[in-house]
Parts: sequence; C-alpha cells; structure tokens
Amino acid sequence: AQSVTQLGSHVSVSEGALVLLRCNYSSSVPPYLFWYVQYPNQGLQLLLKYTSAATLVKGINGFEAEFKKSETSFHLTKPSAHMSDAAEYFCALNTNAGKSTFGDGTTLTVKP
Amino acid sequence: DGGITQSPKYLFRKEGQNVTLSCEQNLNHDAMYWYRQDPGQGLRLIYYSQIVNDFQKGDIAEGYSVSREKKESFPLTVTSAQKNPTAFYLCASSSGENRYEQYFGPGTRLTVT
Repeated sequence: AQSVTQLGSHVSVSEGALVLLRCNYSSSVPPYLFWYVQYPNQGLQLLLKYTSAATLVKGINGFEAEFKKSETSFHLTKPSAHMSDAAEYFCALNTNAGKSTFGDGTTLTVKP
Repeated sequence: DGGITQSPKYLFRKEGQNVTLSCEQNLNHDAMYWYRQDPGQGLRLIYYSQIVNDFQKGDIAEGYSVSREKKESFPLTVTSAQKNPTAFYLCASSSGENRYEQYFGPGTRLTVT
C-alpha cells in the first residue's frame, strides 16, 4: 500500500521568510510525486512534479522540491514567501496511473 | 482554452434527493476521476474511468454512481444512500501519454440539509 504524510497541518511564516512544507511517502515501487496548491473554493493547480528524472525539481511561482529516496521525502521549499503564497498545499503520489494518493494538506499562512 | 469545467459551483439539496454533478473536459484526455474533499482531509477517490463506457470504484464509492458515455463527460450522481454527502467535489482528468499527472476542475460545493 502507498501513503503520503504531510507533517504539519498548518505552517505560518513571515513575508520574505523561507517556506518549508514537509512530505514523506511510502511506496513499494518507484513513485511519481507531485505538489499541488489550492486556493479557497478552487480546484488544485500543479506546482511541480517528480517523475524519476532530476531529483531537484523546480516548479511555478519560485517553488522547488527535492526527492530524497533514502529519506522517502519530497519536501517543498521557496526561499522567500509572498503574501500570494497563502493557500493549502497537497503532496500526492502515483505509482499506478488512475489512483493517486494525497496527503491531508498543509495550510500555509503568510504574515505581513 | 482547454480545461475542465464543473457545474454548478454551489449546489444545495434536501436530504433524500439524488443530485448529479457535471464534469466536462475538452483536453481530449482518456481518464477522468472524481474526488471528495472534506475539511482537514486530503482528496479521496470516489470513481475513475480510463476509457469510455468503463469505470472503476475508488476508495469511497458507496452512495455514488457515475457514467462515462462520452469521452468528454463524467457525471457523478450523489444518491440518497450517501450518508454524509455535504462536501467539496473535484473532477480531474489525465492523458494517456502523461497519465500520472492529473488536471483538476474548479470543484462543486454540495450542501445537503
């Protein structure tokens, strides 16, 4: 069975500070990993994806994530938070097309 | 513009009534999915369809039904058998070439009282 764990349901940072959202996964086969962002009452938008190529993945809006197999992690980072980054973020794993597994989400708050 | 549309954005129903949520895509994607989202929880898969006229149950299919008569459309019916239907429902699709990456619609918020 595959699973995704997002550590911390709420993260608060100051504007301009580093953003770090944690994601750990469990999978018996090589995973495809994704980070999505969701604004209130909207669908999910893909931020970035890992598909077994480069382990450091760059996405939209200045976000990046690093796949670490030894730590079974795929943490999301951004060097400098912006007010517009406030949203809910979901980590997802897919090993069998058609059945993605999502974490419970992390709500990011950005303080001025 | 290509994308996924879900209608309506907000839907209100009385308990005991069936209700159908619409999902249409013009991305020419083969696969389509329905997820349910509750506060503080991730997305849970209700049903998915990889080709027309075929669909599979996801993790929480009880009380829901779907059809896939056209490639572009994947409507979800929330039946009166669903014990707690109030939730945010998301439709997604993916292509055969890039089937692991899912594109999401804007969602429908269903409230049943």
